Amino acid sequence: DAGITQSPRHKVTETGTPVTLRCHQTENHRYMYWYRQDPGHGLRLIHYSYGVKDTDKGEVSDGYSVSRSKTEDFLLTLESATSSQTSVYFCAISDRKGPGGELFFGEGSRLTVL
Amino acid sequence: GNSVTQMEGPVTLSEEAFLTINCTYTATGYPSLFWYVQYPGEGLQLLLKATKADDKGSNKGFEATYRKETTSFHLEKGSVQVSDSAVYFCALSDMETSGSRLTFGEGTQLTVNP
Repeated sequence: DAGITQSPRHKVTETGTPVTLRCHQTENHRYMYWYRQDPGHGLRLIHYSYGVKDTDKGEVSDGYSVSRSKTEDFLLTLESATSSQTSVYFCAISDRKGPGGELFFGEGSRLTVL
Repeated sequence: GNSVTQMEGPVTLSEEAFLTINCTYTATGYPSLFWYVQYPGEGLQLLLKATKADDKGSNKGFEATYRKETTSFHLEKGSVQVSDSAVYFCALSDMETSGSRLTFGEGTQLTVNP
């Protein structure tokens, strides 16, 4: 199994509070991704990173920011959580950009915003 | 833009039944196609993939053929087992418009009863 650890695995918070989710990998893979999973929508890309300090937006980036100061860590921050951000968040990593590259996923972080 | 459409679920089958989960896609380039599987409480893992037209991906008794003429990548298995109960996601990667980032379908829940 790919060494990907997400923390926290479960979190309940209130509207308006900041939340940070952490993804830690031990594979030294260059590319890292944050997806959210919601019923009826599958997985949607929030942000991704193609190297230290290099990040870009995905299709549902509003309300989220990311940072990557080390190869192994990719942080997702909700500056002011809203109920629409209640979801399961998955981190994924990849070692190649080319077609056919496999993504390896963490076990997910379930966030509930009350 | 790119999109993936999967047959609506959930799907419930008896053990040893034949499985088909339909997947069609829209892409502007020449995508690679994937099936990922998510077992309860876990992250997604790659089941099979195909990177060019007429390729067949296969793994664990599952198969899918990349059909460019019908823009489809249907997942099949001849005899399902209880252990195949999971959520199945079809996805594509289109280098021209999204690099190696994946676009996912909404997922199909499969339940196999003994």
